[in-house]
Amino acid sequence: SQQGEEDPQALSIQEGENATMNCSYKTSINNLQWYRQNSGRGLVHLILIRSNEREKHSGRLRVTLDTSKKSSSLLITASRAADTASYFCAIPPGRRALTFGSGTRLQVQP
Amino acid sequence: SQTIHQWPATLVQPVGSPLSLECTVEGTSNPNLYWYRQAAGRGLQLLFYSVGIGQISSEVPQNLSASRPQDRQFILSSKKLLLSDSGFYLCAWTRGFELGNTIYFGEGSWLTVV
Repeated sequence: SQQGEEDPQALSIQEGENATMNCSYKTSINNLQWYRQNSGRGLVHLILIRSNEREKHSGRLRVTLDTSKKSSSLLITASRAADTASYFCAIPPGRRALTFGSGTRLQVQP
Repeated sequence: SQTIHQWPATLVQPVGSPLSLECTVEGTSNPNLYWYRQAAGRGLQLLFYSVGIGQISSEVPQNLSASRPQDRQFILSSKKLLLSDSGFYLCAWTRGFELGNTIYFGEGSWLTVV
């Protein structure tokens, strides 16, 4: 089954900078979700974007979806040290379960 | 509101010993239930999912098994652990496979096989 693949694998930025991470996938999707995982914790849902949407905002998060390129991006603006975490995109492969990529590990330096 | 509980949070087990991880969901009925495993610094691997009592689908052949004895209870087991079973195990639930269903995760169980 397909899964999204995040890029880069790791990202280190300074507080106040923007962080951009990308997700690529291979087949058609109905929606794509982004999740966050603090170290040693479970994943938490951040945002869902449907295949007929190009962009979606939630607070400091901005997600885009380009179905022609089969890619999505997650932008965190004005990052904070508390944003340090791993970020995963998730693809629903039909009537089974969400599959996750390997994630982007974001480190925000105070 | 719905909550998911997973235990134990941490355990260290010798090779060849049995395993039982438990997960319960409260505040909903007939959830879809999942077990994922995450190796250190890696992504999530789907192990099992269940759409109802006694209905288990296995994604990866291995020495682990899952059971769903009650609607909101999901158990991950092994008769004999291997070193390669070490990892972070996450239980999760959704309301179904409908479009846009968010998946809710427990806090995870760290398993170290020594």
